[in-house]
Amino acid sequence: KAGVTQTPRYLIKTRGQQVTLSCSPISGHRSVSWYQQTPGQGLQFLFEYFSETQRNKGNFPGRFSGRQFSNSRSEMNVSTLELGDSALYLCASSSGGARSVWGYTFGSGTRLTVV
Amino acid sequence: KQEVTQIPAALSVPEGENLVLNCSFTDSAIYNLQWFRQDPGKGLTSLLLIQSSQREQTSGRLNASLDKSSGRSTLYIAASQPGDSATYLCAASSGNTGKLIFGQGTTLQVKP
Repeated sequence: KAGVTQTPRYLIKTRGQQVTLSCSPISGHRSVSWYQQTPGQGLQFLFEYFSETQRNKGNFPGRFSGRQFSNSRSEMNVSTLELGDSALYLCASSSGGARSVWGYTFGSGTRLTVV
Repeated sequence: KQEVTQIPAALSVPEGENLVLNCSFTDSAIYNLQWFRQDPGKGLTSLLLIQSSQREQTSGRLNASLDKSSGRSTLYIAASQPGDSATYLCAASSGNTGKLIFGQGTTLQVKP
Protein backbone atom coordinates (compact mmCIF):
# COMPACT_ATOMS: atom_id res chain seq x y z
CA LYS A 1 0.00 0.00 0.00
CA ALA A 2 1.54 3.29 -1.11
CA GLY A 3 2.21 5.91 1.53
CA VAL A 4 1.64 9.63 1.48
CA THR A 5 3.37 11.25 -1.48
CA GLN A 6 4.47 14.86 -1.43
CA THR A 7 5.89 16.68 -4.41
CA PRO A 8 8.24 18.28 -4.99
CA ARG A 9 10.75 17.28 -2.31
CA TYR A 10 12.70 20.51 -2.55
CA LEU A 11 11.90 23.99 -3.77
CA ILE A 12 13.83 27.23 -3.93
CA LYS A 13 11.79 30.34 -4.55
CA THR A 14 12.41 34.06 -4.55
CA ARG A 15 10.71 36.41 -2.12
CA GLY A 16 7.42 37.65 -3.57
CA GLN A 17 6.80 34.59 -5.74
CA GLN A 18 4.08 32.04 -5.14
CA VAL A 19 4.37 28.29 -4.74
CA THR A 20 2.10 25.24 -4.94
CA LEU A 21 2.81 22.03 -3.06
CA SER A 22 1.07 18.74 -3.72
CA CYS A 23 0.05 15.85 -1.49
CA SER A 24 -1.42 12.50 -2.50
CA PRO A 25 -2.87 10.68 0.52
CA ILE A 26 -3.05 6.97 1.13
CA SER A 27 -5.66 5.39 -1.09
CA GLY A 28 -9.06 5.53 0.60
CA HIS A 29 -8.09 8.27 3.04
CA ARG A 30 -10.36 11.30 2.87
CA SER A 31 -8.64 13.56 5.39
CA VAL A 32 -5.55 15.55 4.47
CA SER A 33 -3.87 17.95 6.88
CA TRP A 34 -0.96 20.30 6.32
CA TYR A 35 1.71 21.35 8.81
CA GLN A 36 4.61 23.76 8.76
CA GLN A 37 7.78 22.81 10.62
CA THR A 38 10.45 25.33 11.50
CA PRO A 39 13.30 25.13 14.04
CA GLY A 40 11.86 27.97 16.07
CA GLN A 41 8.13 27.17 16.08
CA GLY A 42 8.15 23.41 15.70
CA LEU A 43 5.18 21.78 13.99
CA GLN A 44 2.23 24.06 13.41
CA PHE A 45 -1.13 23.14 11.94
CA LEU A 46 -2.09 24.91 8.71
CA PHE A 47 -5.42 23.36 7.70
CA GLU A 48 -7.33 20.14 7.18
CA TYR A 49 -9.47 19.04 4.28
CA PHE A 50 -12.03 16.27 4.39
CA SER A 51 -13.99 15.26 1.32
CA GLU A 52 -13.03 18.48 -0.49
CA THR A 53 -14.13 20.72 2.39
CA GLN A 54 -11.84 22.67 4.68
CA ARG A 55 -12.75 21.55 8.20
CA ASN A 56 -10.29 23.53 10.25
CA LYS A 57 -7.69 26.21 9.76
CA GLY A 58 -4.69 27.17 11.83
CA ASN A 59 -3.47 30.62 12.70
CA PHE A 60 -1.71 31.52 9.45
CA PRO A 61 -2.20 34.55 7.19
CA GLY A 62 -4.45 34.41 4.17
CA ARG A 63 -1.40 33.98 1.92
CA PHE A 64 -1.61 30.31 2.85
CA SER A 65 -4.44 28.48 1.13
CA GLY A 66 -5.30 24.99 0.09
CA ARG A 67 -7.77 22.80 -1.67
CA GLN A 68 -8.69 19.17 -2.03
CA PHE A 69 -9.80 17.41 -5.18
CA SER A 70 -12.41 14.70 -5.63
CA ASN A 71 -9.67 12.03 -5.61
CA SER A 72 -8.55 13.36 -2.17
CA ARG A 73 -5.30 14.79 -3.50
CA SER A 74 -4.58 18.14 -1.94
CA GLU A 75 -2.61 21.19 -2.88
CA MET A 76 -1.29 23.98 -0.71
CA ASN A 77 -0.52 27.41 -2.11
CA VAL A 78 1.54 30.18 -0.60
CA SER A 79 1.41 33.55 -2.30
CA THR A 80 3.77 36.50 -1.95
CA LEU A 81 6.48 34.40 -0.33
CA GLU A 82 8.43 35.80 2.60
CA LEU A 83 11.79 34.69 3.96
CA GLY A 84 10.01 33.40 7.05
CA ASP A 85 8.03 30.93 4.95
CA SER A 86 11.16 28.82 4.58
CA ALA A 87 10.25 25.55 6.26
CA LEU A 88 9.51 21.88 5.89
CA TYR A 89 5.89 21.47 4.86
CA LEU A 90 4.36 18.17 5.88
CA CYS A 91 1.15 16.57 4.75
CA ALA A 92 -0.74 14.04 6.86
CA SER A 93 -3.32 11.55 5.68
CA SER A 94 -6.03 9.89 7.75
CA SER A 95 -9.05 7.73 7.07
CA GLY A 96 -11.31 9.71 9.35
CA GLY A 97 -9.48 12.55 11.04
CA ALA A 98 -8.87 13.04 14.75
CA ARG A 99 -11.02 10.10 15.87
CA SER A 100 -9.44 7.61 13.52
CA VAL A 101 -8.11 4.59 15.37
CA TRP A 102 -5.24 4.51 12.91
CA GLY A 103 -4.13 8.07 13.49
CA TYR A 104 -2.21 10.03 10.92
CA THR A 105 0.40 9.03 8.35
CA PHE A 106 2.81 11.70 7.25
CA GLY A 107 4.60 12.22 3.97
CA SER A 108 8.31 12.97 3.62
CA GLY A 109 7.65 16.67 3.27
CA THR A 110 8.55 19.47 0.91
CA ARG A 111 11.52 21.59 1.90
CA LEU A 112 10.81 25.16 0.80
CA THR A 113 13.61 27.70 0.82
CA VAL A 114 12.78 31.34 0.12
CA VAL A 115 15.72 33.54 -0.91
CA LYS B 1 -6.34 25.51 24.50
CA GLN B 2 -4.33 22.32 24.27
CA GLU B 3 -0.61 22.59 24.96
CA VAL B 4 1.83 19.71 24.71
CA THR B 5 5.21 19.68 26.41
CA GLN B 6 8.05 17.21 26.08
CA ILE B 7 10.83 16.77 28.57
CA PRO B 8 13.76 16.52 28.21
CA ALA B 9 14.53 18.43 25.01
CA ALA B 10 17.62 16.30 24.44
CA LEU B 11 18.91 13.05 25.81
CA SER B 12 22.16 11.15 25.29
CA VAL B 13 22.53 7.57 26.52
CA PRO B 14 24.92 4.68 25.96
CA GLU B 15 23.77 1.79 23.84
CA GLY B 16 21.76 -0.83 25.67
CA GLU B 17 20.10 1.48 28.18
CA ASN B 18 16.38 1.53 28.78
CA LEU B 19 14.94 5.02 28.63
CA VAL B 20 11.73 6.97 29.08
CA LEU B 21 10.56 10.00 27.14
CA ASN B 22 7.90 12.18 28.68
CA CYS B 23 4.97 14.04 27.17
CA SER B 24 2.43 16.13 29.06
CA PHE B 25 -0.75 17.79 27.81
CA THR B 26 -3.03 20.35 29.38
CA ASP B 27 -6.47 19.28 28.11
CA SER B 28 -7.48 15.74 29.05
CA ALA B 29 -10.29 15.71 26.45
CA ILE B 30 -8.18 14.04 23.80
CA TYR B 31 -9.15 11.37 21.28
CA ASN B 32 -5.71 9.96 20.66
CA LEU B 33 -2.10 10.42 21.64
CA GLN B 34 0.35 9.54 18.91
CA TRP B 35 4.12 9.15 19.08
CA PHE B 36 6.27 9.85 16.05
CA ARG B 37 9.90 9.58 15.13
CA GLN B 38 11.65 12.07 12.88
CA ASP B 39 15.09 11.62 11.37
CA PRO B 40 16.96 14.79 10.34
CA GLY B 41 15.37 16.46 7.32
CA LYS B 42 12.78 13.71 6.97
CA GLY B 43 9.07 13.33 7.53
CA LEU B 44 7.37 11.80 10.56
CA THR B 45 7.14 8.06 11.11
CA SER B 46 4.29 6.92 13.33
CA LEU B 47 5.45 4.70 16.16
CA LEU B 48 2.45 4.15 18.39
CA LEU B 49 -1.06 5.49 18.80
CA ILE B 50 -2.98 5.26 22.06
CA GLN B 51 -6.70 5.86 21.96
CA SER B 52 -8.24 7.76 24.83
CA SER B 53 -9.86 4.58 26.18
CA GLN B 54 -6.54 2.72 26.28
CA ARG B 55 -3.75 2.82 28.84
CA GLU B 56 -0.85 1.57 26.77
CA GLN B 57 0.36 0.23 23.45
CA THR B 58 3.39 -1.86 22.62
CA SER B 59 5.39 -2.42 19.48
CA GLY B 60 8.62 -4.36 19.68
CA ARG B 61 10.99 -2.55 22.03
CA LEU B 62 8.61 0.40 22.36
CA ASN B 63 5.88 0.84 24.93
CA ALA B 64 3.72 3.93 25.23
CA SER B 65 1.41 4.68 28.12
CA LEU B 66 -1.36 7.21 28.57
CA ASP B 67 -2.76 8.68 31.78
CA LYS B 68 -5.48 11.15 30.87
CA SER B 69 -6.23 12.13 34.46
CA SER B 70 -2.70 13.42 34.98
CA GLY B 71 -2.26 14.62 31.40
CA ARG B 72 0.78 12.47 30.76
CA SER B 73 2.13 9.99 28.27
CA THR B 74 5.45 8.18 28.28
CA LEU B 75 7.39 6.38 25.60
CA TYR B 76 9.59 3.61 26.94
CA ILE B 77 12.41 2.35 24.74
CA ALA B 78 14.04 -0.88 25.84
CA ALA B 79 17.63 -1.84 25.09
CA SER B 80 18.36 1.29 23.07
CA GLN B 81 20.42 1.06 19.87
CA PRO B 82 22.34 3.66 17.84
CA GLY B 83 19.66 3.35 15.17
CA ASP B 84 17.15 4.74 17.68
CA SER B 85 18.88 8.11 17.46
CA ALA B 86 16.27 10.58 16.21
CA THR B 87 13.80 13.19 17.41
CA TYR B 88 10.71 11.79 19.08
CA LEU B 89 7.50 13.78 18.97
CA CYS B 90 4.23 13.26 20.73
CA ALA B 91 0.99 14.73 19.42
CA ALA B 92 -2.49 14.98 20.88
CA SER B 93 -5.65 15.05 18.82
CA SER B 94 -8.83 16.58 20.18
CA GLY B 95 -11.94 17.87 18.51
CA ASN B 96 -13.24 16.30 15.36
CA THR B 97 -10.75 18.01 13.10
CA GLY B 98 -7.42 17.14 11.59
CA LYS B 99 -5.50 19.19 14.09
CA LEU B 100 -2.69 17.53 15.98
CA ILE B 101 -0.97 19.51 18.71
CA PHE B 102 2.69 18.60 18.83
CA GLY B 103 5.26 18.86 21.56
CA GLN B 104 8.64 20.34 20.71
CA GLY B 105 10.21 16.90 20.65
CA THR B 106 13.01 15.06 22.44
CA THR B 107 16.21 14.56 20.46
CA LEU B 108 17.73 11.24 21.41
CA GLN B 109 21.32 10.23 20.80
CA VAL B 110 22.32 6.64 21.52
CA LYS B 111 26.08 6.25 21.64
CA PRO B 112 27.72 2.96 20.58
